[in-house]
Amino acid sequence: AQSVAQPEDQVNVAEGNPLTVKCTYSVSGNPYLFWYVQYPNRGLQFLLKYITGDNLVKGSYGFEAEFNKSQTSFHLKKPSALVSDSALYFCAVRDKRINKFYFGSGTKLNVKP
Amino acid sequence: DTAVSQTPKYLVTQMGNDKSIKCEQNLGHDTMYWYKQDSKKFLKIMFSYNNKELIINETVPNRFSPKSPDKAHLNLHINSLELGDSAVYFCASSRDRVHHEQYFGPGTRLTVT
Repeated sequence: AQSVAQPEDQVNVAEGNPLTVKCTYSVSGNPYLFWYVQYPNRGLQFLLKYITGDNLVKGSYGFEAEFNKSQTSFHLKKPSALVSDSALYFCAVRDKRINKFYFGSGTKLNVKP
Repeated sequence: DTAVSQTPKYLVTQMGNDKSIKCEQNLGHDTMYWYKQDSKKFLKIMFSYNNKELIINETVPNRFSPKSPDKAHLNLHINSLELGDSAVYFCASSRDRVHHEQYFGPGTRLTVT
């Protein structure tokens, strides 16, 4: 079973509109959750993480994510998309019980002017 | 200053050859990782070292051997290269192995012909 799933291969949104990139996880307990962004021909860059505390986490470049334990989700959001946000976004989870780290399959975000 | 650096950036070689990829981090982190990203952008962890000790060793052919001479360096040696080894290999580091975010290198694009 997948430990982390990104159900959308691609998300298209118009500049200025809100964006959501979905992520669900299936590890037990309280996982550590992360979002990363990858621009073409570059390494991944950390955006934000949830470890504990407030369910709404704010990160770099105006992104935020909400941890929802009942829905086992950690969707990435931004109120107003920019063309420069176009990139590949990865959700990641650390399963503390077995010290395993998993990345989702990635979601390509296209922001059109 | 580059936080996580990898050399070479590109590597083109023939089947059967042996090659190495080097990684260095100047962040003072304790933990380093190697990932493989395939042509579909799927990212999979291969190895992780914490203070020069191997802590994650995923199902990877034993042709792949990591070496950590000190905690700032984690090199990847690949023997008897195969066509299927063609991918982008990313090195990453994190402050510790538990919950801190990872910092990625720029990647090494390996092409096996």
